[in-house]
Amino acid sequence: GAGVSQSPSNKVTEKGKDVELRCDPISGHTALYWYRQRLGQGLEFLIYFQGNSAPDKSGLPSDRFSAERTGESVSTLTIQRTQQEDSAVYLCASSNYLAVTEEQFFGPGTRLTVL
Amino acid sequence: QKEVEQNSGPLSVPEGAIASLNCTYSDRGSQSFFWYRQYSGKSPELIMSIYSNGDKEDGRFTAQLNKASQYVSLLIRDSQPSDSATYLCAVENTGGFKTIFGAGTRLFVKA
Repeated sequence: GAGVSQSPSNKVTEKGKDVELRCDPISGHTALYWYRQRLGQGLEFLIYFQGNSAPDKSGLPSDRFSAERTGESVSTLTIQRTQQEDSAVYLCASSNYLAVTEEQFFGPGTRLTVL
Repeated sequence: QKEVEQNSGPLSVPEGAIASLNCTYSDRGSQSFFWYRQYSGKSPELIMSIYSNGDKEDGRFTAQLNKASQYVSLLIRDSQPSDSATYLCAVENTGGFKTIFGAGTRLFVKA
């Protein structure tokens, strides 16, 4: 595709429900990142994928958060038993890890609101 | 302890002035440094990358890196109201697996 896409763009859920957020990276990009951005805050690193493996999961805030990536393409971030403090914009980015600049290209984000 | 620190601002400059944005980082092994711009309600976009000590110029933007002082800055010359945004400093950590973002500096350019 032309860019990184994410779905849904907005998600409103009730506390305690599970949610799945999807990211479609730029075709051919081997690296994929998930970030969380609370209102007025910076980017909080969650997890990084190189291909289908996740060398760094250190940013996942709790065991309620998990992510997977299949076929070096789509990734899904799952939040179980959502809490109000999970409300944020979840951003996905991809990069061509082998490129010199390793610029990260960001998707439009998913705005999650937990009531 | 934060690994990448920026003054949150807001930094307000008049149109046409030079805006200076600063960033310090803690990982001495870092080799790659980036400045991203984020407009309100939008996703970050890369505006500059720098890998070597010294200055790197691209149009109205100049990135400056001093690895000994663990300091990177961004200068915006002839600032325009359209430059008003949050500027995020990002540093690739040793090992290259993770890019750490600062909290960002909000810049306002007054017409």
